Order: sequence, then structure tokens, then C-alpha cells
Amino acid sequence: DAGVTQSPTHLIKTRGQQVTLRCSPISGHKSVSWYQQVLGQGPQFIFQYYEKEERGRGNFPDRFSARQFPNYSSELNVNALLLGDSALYLCASSWTGIYGYTFGSGTRLTVV
Amino acid sequence: QQPVQSPQAVILREGEDAVINCSSSKALYSVHWYRQKHGEAPVFLMILLKGGEQKGHEKISASFNEKKQQSSLYLTASQLSYSGTYFCGTERGGGADGLTFGKGTHLIIQP
Repeated sequence: DAGVTQSPTHLIKTRGQQVTLRCSPISGHKSVSWYQQVLGQGPQFIFQYYEKEERGRGNFPDRFSARQFPNYSSELNVNALLLGDSALYLCASSWTGIYGYTFGSGTRLTVV
Repeated sequence: QQPVQSPQAVILREGEDAVINCSSSKALYSVHWYRQKHGEAPVFLMILLKGGEQKGHEKISASFNEKKQQSSLYLTASQLSYSGTYFCGTERGGGADGLTFGKGTHLIIQP
């Protein structure tokens, strides 16, 4: 079975630019969550989507947005990039949260 | 509010046991445990739900004290493959707010 796939794996952007990160959940998983992980810290919750609707949002500015498509894949968009947005962005999918979440390998975003 | 993990780091010899703790100041619905190796994705180990239900890998054991809002992860007869950073992630209810992760516990297993 394919796990959670994220693309691209690495990305370098310039301050002020916009970026789109993509995630394909495990087949059958309808919930997708996005997390930001800064080096040396635990992941920080950004968004959760279930059945194409936003179910939860973490403490991130409006520059961060996301959406979920009919096939349950998801995109995370970040506008007006700042140096502080440099991090590993993780996508996690689940059938239902009580069975835990499966994380993808992440997209390493570097803002210069 | 971020849960507090202890210890911050542990160094063990292969075969030794370890306990990693996770404490929250807020009432919790569930506690998740994940292990992350350098450069890799976090891997699900265990979930402990309010009310006593647990789901996870057979070789992993954990506890959840609902009165104290504390969870502990027990690693017995450690193997070299257990090395990594262990994170607890807490949910206060419903799952819509995602997981709030602790800062992690670094575990090093030496041969």
C-alpha cells in the first residue's frame, strides 16, 4: 500500500514569493492534516480537513491556506513567504483520528 | 498548551528499559505517541483515549492517567532500532484542533 505522499520533497523560495505544497493521503483516508516542524521542535498544527471541509485551524497567519479535493488530496499554500517559514511541512492522513495519523516524509521548504 | 515531555534525552545500552513521560495542564481526550528518526516522518506508535481504550503496536506499551493528565511510554529490552526522537501529541477533544506536540525526547541506544 502506498503511504502518504508529499511533493515536492525540497523547495527553495525567495522572501515574498508564494508556494504550494501537495499531499496525497492513504487510499480510504478522508482526513488530511498539515503540520509545520521547525528543526529541533515537535510538529505544530496548521490545518485539518475532512471530507473537503476545514475542520480545524492552528495559530498561523492568514498567509497560510489549504484546501482538500474530491479525491481527498490536499494542497497547502503559503503567500508572502518569510524567512521564518523555513521548515519541514508534514502532511498526515487518517481514516479516523482514533487509529492515529500516518505522516508523509514532508516537504523541506527553505526561504532565502 | 504544549505538553511537557521528560526526560529531554536518554542514553541507554541495548537491552535496557526506558520510560518517557508526557504531562498536560489541560484535560485531554487522547494522547498519541510517535517516533521520528532523523530526516524521516514521525511514525505512529500508540494512542490512548479517555476512558481507557488503547490502540497501537504490540511491542509498545503506555499508560494514561486521566486524573493527572499524564501519559508514559514504556520501552523495554531496548533495541538499536528504538533510537530516535519520541513525541507525545495531545488532543483535547473532537480531533478538529489537531495534535499539540511536546518538544520531544531524544533516545540513543548504544550497542
